[in-house]
Amino acid sequence: EVQLVESGGGLVQPGGSLRLSCAASGFTFSSYEMNWVRQAPGKGLEWVSYISSSGSTIYYADSVKGRFTISRDNAKNSLYLQMNSLRAEDTAVYYCAREGGTNGRGDAFDIWGQGTMVTVSS
Amino acid sequence: DIQMTQSPSTLSASVGDRVTITCRASQSISSWLAWYQQKPGKAPKLLIYKASSLESGVPSRFSGSGSGTEFTLTISSLQPDDFATYYCQGTLTFGGGTKVEIK
Repeated sequence: EVQLVESGGGLVQPGGSLRLSCAASGFTFSSYEMNWVRQAPGKGLEWVSYISSSGSTIYYADSVKGRFTISRDNAKNSLYLQMNSLRAEDTAVYYCAREGGTNGRGDAFDIWGQGTMVTVSS
Repeated sequence: DIQMTQSPSTLSASVGDRVTITCRASQSISSWLAWYQQKPGKAPKLLIYKASSLESGVPSRFSGSGSGTEFTLTISSLQPDDFATYYCQGTLTFGGGTKVEIK
């Protein structure tokens, strides 16, 4: 079964750090571009970061640039998001999502994890 | 940066209705437009990719059209399972969402 499973969320104080992980299974992880998307409580979806299949190309939303770092370990079939200098406005469910380009779906996100909640509060 | 604008933000409809949601891009994105359905507490689900291609397993009552800057998602006959929030996405940017409610 094709699956993405996030972990690492939790409660953190403003200014703190957290590292999210996304474990992939059921597909050739190294062939796919990956993304992080977040959703604040009661709000819409916000794209956060992109990483190419090899890890050589990375993009960030302006709202997290300089504070968040995306990475991947293709040998471990895992995607990561290192979040530093966290703010209250970073409170959200964080999803990892696979880009379906390898399957002919262009830049659409065809597989999503279940999400992990990050709460930034004192 | 490209902005994606969805309308309406909320839509009240009845079972059996034909429903249309519009998404506008601030600049041309060719056909690089996807539509997602999200239910409360769940991850989004891909419905349509490349503006008009139906994702595997998605009912044929869902269809997408458009190119350039104007796109639509149509549900030909709304079913009880379709009450949800729908998002468009163009080149990584999501629209604000359209909540489809029971009338």
